[in-house]
Order: sequence, then structure tokens, then C-alpha cells
Amino acid sequence: AAGVIQSPRHLIKEKRETATLKCYPIPRHDTVYWYQQGPGQDPQFLISFYEKMQSDKGSIPDRFSAQQFSDYHSELNMSSLELGDSALYFCASSLYRRLAGLSSYNEQFFGPGTRLTVL
Amino acid sequence: EDQVTQSPEALRLQEGESSSLNCSYTVSGLRGLFWYRQDPGKGPEFLFTLYSAGEEKEKERLKATLTKKESFLHITAPKPEDSATYLCAVQGQTGANNLFFGTGTRLTVIP
Repeated sequence: AAGVIQSPRHLIKEKRETATLKCYPIPRHDTVYWYQQGPGQDPQFLISFYEKMQSDKGSIPDRFSAQQFSDYHSELNMSSLELGDSALYFCASSLYRRLAGLSSYNEQFFGPGTRLTVL
Repeated sequence: EDQVTQSPEALRLQEGESSSLNCSYTVSGLRGLFWYRQDPGKGPEFLFTLYSAGEEKEKERLKATLTKKESFLHITAPKPEDSATYLCAVQGQTGANNLFFGTGTRLTVIP
């Protein structure tokens, strides 16, 4: 079965540089999420998109922005990189589903991640 | 504020020694509780979704259960390949669909 694709898998940047991470969701999934995971930490939610519109916003720095395109792939743009931005960045995708009588829930499937190192 | 606490932080088991991992949660209305497995440097791998107290799900040597305050991941007769970090995450009723993760339990199964 097709999985979430992320590119690049590894990225090394200097301080104050910019970086762009790409995510290709599972086919027919309509929602994309971005998470940041520092060493030894749990994934922290950054931002999400549903049907190409921003749906939720977490702890995403103002230096970062993201968008979802017409083909549902998403890009996370990171500017003025800092040493503390070094982390694993995961993209997850899901299909919005409504459970009869209850609100929605959705299982998120994660990509392999992009390891960003800022020197 | 949503809170997820996993225990223990780390667990070492002999191969075949069954045990349970705990995930305690505080959330304003639970829409779903999710278990993931994560290997070092890799993305979390989806295991289970539970969304109502009393629900149970099984997959090979793993069984997840849910009460109104906590979830357990039972591992029966584990093998070395079960070694990984197991993450618990919740979705609350606030409307946001993102997952709120616990810090995980790092499981090591010794041959």
C-alpha cells in the first residue's frame, strides 16, 4: 500500500538559511499534518491542512509557513533557521471520517520524516 | 489542557515475558486514543485507534484496551523485534484534529 512520502530525507543548513520540506500524502487522503520531533521528545504538532485550507495551528514559529497544493501535496517553508530548529520533521496524512452519532476521528499515517540539521 | 502521561518511561523485558504499558490521559472529551510504534529515526507507525471505554483491539502480540481515564497496551510473549518506543496520542473534543502525544515508553526485549 502507498505510504506518505517526504523529501528530502536529510537536510543540512546553516543558521539564517531557508529550507523547504515536501510531503506527498497517501492517495485520496484529504488532510495533511506537520509535526516536529526533537531528540528524545514526542512529536509536537505544527500545522495542518484540510482540502487545501489551513485547518489547525499548533506551535509553529512565525518563521515557518506551509501550504497544501491542488494535488494535495504540502510544503513546509522554514526561514531564518536557528540551531534549535534541528529536529525530525514528520508529515502525516489522514482521511476525514465521521463516526455515526459522534464527532469525527481520523487515523493519521506518518511519513519517514526529514532530518533537518542546522549548523 | 490536554495531558497524556505514559509509564514506565523505559521497560526491559526478557523474550517471552509479558507486560503492559500504561497511558493515562486528561482531555476535554475524547474523540480517539491512538497507539503508535516508533523505531529510532523513523516515523511513527500506526497500531490502534480506540474511541470508547471498554473497547479492545488486538494485533499479533499486542492488545490495546481503553477506560475513561487510561489505556493499556498489553504485550504477550514479546520478541526482540518488538523493541521500539510506543507512543500514545489523543484527539479531544476541542475541534482540532491534531494528535497530542505522550512522551512514550521505550521497550527493549532481550533475547
